[in-house]
Amino acid sequence: AQRVTQPEKLLSVFKGAPVELKCNYSYSGSPELFWYVQYSRQRLQLLLRHISRESIKGFTADLNKGETSFHLKKPFAQEEDSAMYYCALRITSYDKVIFGPGTSLSVIP
Amino acid sequence: SAVISQKPSRDICQRGTSLTIQCQVDSQVTMMFWYRQQPGQSLTLIATANQGSEATYESGFVIDKFPISRPNLTFSTLTVSNMSPEDSSIYLCSAKFADTQYFGPGTRLTVL
Repeated sequence: AQRVTQPEKLLSVFKGAPVELKCNYSYSGSPELFWYVQYSRQRLQLLLRHISRESIKGFTADLNKGETSFHLKKPFAQEEDSAMYYCALRITSYDKVIFGPGTSLSVIP
Repeated sequence: SAVISQKPSRDICQRGTSLTIQCQVDSQVTMMFWYRQQPGQSLTLIATANQGSEATYESGFVIDKFPISRPNLTFSTLTVSNMSPEDSSIYLCSAKFADTQYFGPGTRLTVL
């Protein structure tokens, strides 16, 4: 069965410290993974996707098919990074996206 | 990009009544989706709505409870029927545009 897991419900880091939000997936097909972010009182928005291999707001994520992981990383956390982060998997055969449970990131000044 | 709006933004309803949520996209899109986000939970896909065909429901969701309309390429509605307090949730509309999935602001529903 297809599934996305994010083991940390809450993550607190100090400003300037590195941050890593973990994501693992279960999918028999070719995975297409995303990170979405929801800032306080704002709508859900796409942060980055693995096929783009881009860095957005200093965040990067690498797909590791061997470990079935897509962890989100940033070398130096900023206060404005405090938000809810969701890892998501596209089920390509049905063209639908399923979400992990989310990690609430709090950056302490 | 695509901008999605939803109406109403929030509502408080009585048990046993129904509420229809409207979703408008500023671009023509083939695929639209409806999600539910219960308090403290992640997003759960309710159904996929393609224009010109019946909506496809996920396990645990049925058309009688959540009828969906998709009359054209920019609009969809989700009705929450015969509501109970367990239906209290945020309902999110989403659309796929240029290979990116965009989300509406959500409709916060409280059922008393």
